[in-house]
Amino acid sequence: QKEVEQNSGPLSVPEGAIASLNCTYSDRGSQSFFWYRQYSGKSPELIMFIYSNGDKEDGRFTAQLNKASQYVSLLIRDSQPSDSATYLCAVTRAAGNKLTFGGGTRVLVKP
Amino acid sequence: NAGVMQNPRHLVRRRGQEARLRCSPMKGHSHVYWYRQLPEEGLKFMVYLQKENIIDESGMPKERFSAEFPKEGPSILRIQQVVRGDSAAYFCASSPSRGGRHLSNYGYTFGSGTRLTVV
Repeated sequence: QKEVEQNSGPLSVPEGAIASLNCTYSDRGSQSFFWYRQYSGKSPELIMFIYSNGDKEDGRFTAQLNKASQYVSLLIRDSQPSDSATYLCAVTRAAGNKLTFGGGTRVLVKP
Repeated sequence: NAGVMQNPRHLVRRRGQEARLRCSPMKGHSHVYWYRQLPEEGLKFMVYLQKENIIDESGMPKERFSAEFPKEGPSILRIQQVVRGDSAAYFCASSPSRGGRHLSNYGYTFGSGTRLTVV
């Protein structure tokens, strides 16, 4: 079992729709959770972090965390073609500091 | 305030040569992390360093790979006797300090990466 699992996609969504990305993790000691966006050939950029159960909203992005189910998700509302990228889920233990990444979900937003 | 600086952006090496990748963290950041990304894969942790100390090298291959972060100058990831399987993007990230809410607040800032090609 991988430590952090994501569906590799591609997840194809029409412009203006909601893209829903899922991530599960195996380490129950994980404390902080991050979503990164990575365009092809570029470095990852942080778009959201969450460490409390529930929802966290930032603009068109909403992160959802359920520690009991070891599940974190990312919703992208009003998807735009510029949102087409690979989205990486990452988790960390508070004391360890290293991030463990999932394999990423490729999102394609079609005009 | 410059971000995390990595150089070179692209590096081509012949099999058996040495590769040196450099990373200068963001100003005020004292923690450096190296990650490797193979084509079409996620990022794999390699090593976590503070100035003059290796904190966690659990992701480093046992042979040919080494890393340092001297008191002065950038962090260096060194790959000796490169093989074709070393071809990947190598990313460096930095953070201001260790643990808990600090990391949650800042996350990581990644550099632009070094794309190593072994021919």
